[in-house]
Amino acid sequence: KQEVTQIPAALSVPEGENLVLNCSFTDSAIYNLQWFRQDPGKGLTSLLLIQSSQREQTSGRLNASLDKSSGRSTLYIAASQPGDSATYLCAVNYAGNNRKLIWGLGTSLAVNP
Amino acid sequence: DVKVTQSSRYLVKRTGEKVFLECVQDMDHENMFWYRQDPGLGLRLIYFSYDVKMKEKGDIPEGYSVSREKKERFSLILESASTNQTSMYLCASSVVRGHTNEKLFFGSGTQLSVL
Repeated sequence: KQEVTQIPAALSVPEGENLVLNCSFTDSAIYNLQWFRQDPGKGLTSLLLIQSSQREQTSGRLNASLDKSSGRSTLYIAASQPGDSATYLCAVNYAGNNRKLIWGLGTSLAVNP
Repeated sequence: DVKVTQSSRYLVKRTGEKVFLECVQDMDHENMFWYRQDPGLGLRLIYFSYDVKMKEKGDIPEGYSVSREKKERFSLILESASTNQTSMYLCASSVVRGHTNEKLFFGSGTQLSVL
């Protein structure tokens, strides 16, 4: 079964820490993987999209990596800030899944001043 | 920047009412999606559309229908609202590249309460 798992479900860190969020998927045959951010009661904002042929993508303090062989992606946030507090979701576009994304349940991040 | 606009931020309806949720995108995207999001269940796909007048069922289509008469607009219809349809509804759009979606753009969501 094609699934996406995000561990931990919640994370609390002091401001300034570098941190890693994890996303695991069950089938290496994927087209791409996306990381999103969601603030409470709001819609989702796409942060990074990694194509199947890529190993990583960077945007500002964010870096996402992709390892298809191990079924893992990580989102690295450098020098975390209170404004980074949000839920981070991972979504995988599995091959043969007719453009339907499979979603993780997210990691709720709190960055404390 | 791409904008996806959902017509209502909050909506309160009564059981049995017919409910229309509207979504408009301004970037000529082929794909449009309707999701619902519930605590502990994550995002679940209700319907998606890959072209005008084309639609496909997602994982939880029961009790819902959709309409896409124009490329920029994708409507979700609750034929007879029930309390178990109380949820956050999220619309999204994306460009298509071959068999896959590119980056998804989401609206700000509609929190629907059915009493």
